Amino acid sequence: ETGVTQSPTHLIKTRGQQVTLRCSSQSGHNTVSWYQQALGQGPQFIFQYYREEENGRGNFPPRFSGLQFPNYSSELNVNALELDDSALYLCASSVAGGRTFTDTQYFGPGTRLTVL
Amino acid sequence: QKEVEQNSGPLSVPEGAIASLNCTYSDRGSQSFFWYRQYSGKSPELIMFIYSNGDKEDGRFTAQLNKASQYVSLLIRDSQPSDSATYLCAVMGNTDKLIFGTGTRLQVFP
Repeated sequence: ETGVTQSPTHLIKTRGQQVTLRCSSQSGHNTVSWYQQALGQGPQFIFQYYREEENGRGNFPPRFSGLQFPNYSSELNVNALELDDSALYLCASSVAGGRTFTDTQYFGPGTRLTVL
Repeated sequence: QKEVEQNSGPLSVPEGAIASLNCTYSDRGSQSFFWYRQYSGKSPELIMFIYSNGDKEDGRFTAQLNKASQYVSLLIRDSQPSDSATYLCAVMGNTDKLIFGTGTRLQVFP
């Protein structure tokens, strides 16, 4: 167990709806990254949060947004859901150190989102 | 060309054998390299990371990095059926994001 928790475990939504996924980072970790993993693919980077600000974003549209809270937990929000948003959403926590970020990221159990 | 490439497999090895998993990457500025194991329906679990050229050993696992040839590999000695999973290679450059390959599925048969 990594100490990273995510909720909910599973979620079923319909196209056009909005969804919020939650992540609590491992104790002592101040950086949260979100990834989307489609079936049979490797995880794809969505964005990263550090000190409550977005620190890097992958190739995802603006309807994917996030937040980080003072306790380092984070939310991923997806608006106007599309069928292709069906995937495993992974949160990973890590520690920022000095000018460069400590690399090692530990993943939570993920949230399986199904869009009908 | 994909940024991180892996053979999707499956790679089938008998119990007790050495499993060799390979990964190539395109960005010469990549600095950190990771191997994750992912069981079906579960999230990725970190196995090893390597930063410097050469070998790094941890128990039955050895990671090998060759930056000049832009490849990283993972050797699993004395493979066990419980090692059957998808192995994800991930690379990090200066952007603090992990770039993953599609993974290699390993099957260890008794």
